[in-house]
Amino acid sequence: SYVLPQPPSVTVAPGQTARITCGGDNIGRESVHWYQQRPGQAPALVIYYDSDRPSGIPERFSGSSSGNTATLTISRVEAGDEADYYCQVWDSNSDHVIFGGGTKLTVL
Amino acid sequence: QVQLVESGGGLVKPGGSLRLSCAASKFIFGDYYMTWIRQAPGTGLEWVSSISDSGNTIYYADSVKGRFTISRDNAKSSLYLQMNSLRAEDTAVYYCARNHGGGGLCPELWGLGTLVTVSS
Repeated sequence: SYVLPQPPSVTVAPGQTARITCGGDNIGRESVHWYQQRPGQAPALVIYYDSDRPSGIPERFSGSSSGNTATLTISRVEAGDEADYYCQVWDSNSDHVIFGGGTKLTVL
Repeated sequence: QVQLVESGGGLVKPGGSLRLSCAASKFIFGDYYMTWIRQAPGTGLEWVSSISDSGNTIYYADSVKGRFTISRDNAKSSLYLQMNSLRAEDTAVYYCARNHGGGGLCPELWGLGTLVTVSS
């Protein structure tokens, strides 16, 4: 089945840029969605269809996807961005929703 | 406001059954695909099942197929998950989610979740 590898952790200093990757065979051909899950909270959609932002999500959050890698970029990182981030696709070959394993973003 | 509220979680013995419910409010429930996602303690997100707006199309994860049944009642703005033959590995917080109206499945609005614990 389709697998979406993510790095387990990413560490960044406040004010810097965090990039979280999501791998997958030809993931650039799929629509990729990203979720933020703060400790003790439910996940929340932060990027959908590769690069669209839901209302209320800061412009600091952006997404891109090409080839075998999708990337969530968080600019000017703040302490409140510390969370787990998950990528997700719909695998039309298996009719399954696939989540990446998640990346823990730590803000030093 | 627009929200989803899950209920029905609890402690159940292995082999037992449980029915989860998800109540939707402040949007036209019948216009959206809906999805159940779970998260075992300390682990990542796992998709469980999705159902089309009409209820005519249903998808299941391999791990629950044949044991879980998703259903909906659009008149009551409610989503359900009937869970049978429960196993310890089904222990998780179960989230109900509304999918984005675009193609594919993108859970865009999530409830707060309900905890299911399977233990003797």
